[in-house]
Amino acid sequence: GENVEQHPSTLSVQEGDSAVIKCTYSDSASNYFPWYKQELGKRPQLIIDIRSNVGEKKDQRIAVTLNKTAKHFSLHITETQPEDSAVYFCAASIRTDKLIFGTGTRLQVFP
Amino acid sequence: EAGVTQFPSHSVIEKGQTVTLRCDPISGHDNLYWYRRVMGKEIKFLLHFVKESKQDESGMPNNRFLAERTGGTYSTLKVQPAELEDSGVYFCASSQPGSPDTQYFGPGTRLTVL
Repeated sequence: GENVEQHPSTLSVQEGDSAVIKCTYSDSASNYFPWYKQELGKRPQLIIDIRSNVGEKKDQRIAVTLNKTAKHFSLHITETQPEDSAVYFCAASIRTDKLIFGTGTRLQVFP
Repeated sequence: EAGVTQFPSHSVIEKGQTVTLRCDPISGHDNLYWYRRVMGKEIKFLLHFVKESKQDESGMPNNRFLAERTGGTYSTLKVQPAELEDSGVYFCASSQPGSPDTQYFGPGTRLTVL
């Protein structure tokens, strides 16, 4: 079945720097790739997603890139702020009935 | 618009007891999913309802877990009898009929089995 690997498991950056989280997936039939942000004690929140017919998508300070050939997708956060500190999960979906998640990345942004 | 709600937020039970978790999806969302995160690991799919029908229950760990969605509104997940390895955070998510993979998550129920 589908498997999603996520790196790094923890990431510490200085406020204002950029952060990049990378995921790889195993099944080339995957066609939907969402990213979720989970702040401490809160629900996972969908922050951005990309479909397999698109290579890049941006929303203000966050962007996601997809390389279908290499089966990689990445989350890029620019000009990080302390409120970006959270656990970020990538996921992949082949069909429409379930998401396969990575193990999460704990991002800490230091002021 | 109210989000996905889950009850209880925390539950502590002893091994062998029964626990029932409840999820209320966003109104109008036909798709309802249950996921579980065991500490430090990935969020894992358990099952998917479309309205009241089970579309995919391939992620259910064993027959101690029973999910229902009578009437196609809220859903319950019962664990009976609970084992130590059932501890974790149980998330519910829902999505619209036209965008089933865009899933909105609830806050989760943290289950601790002692």
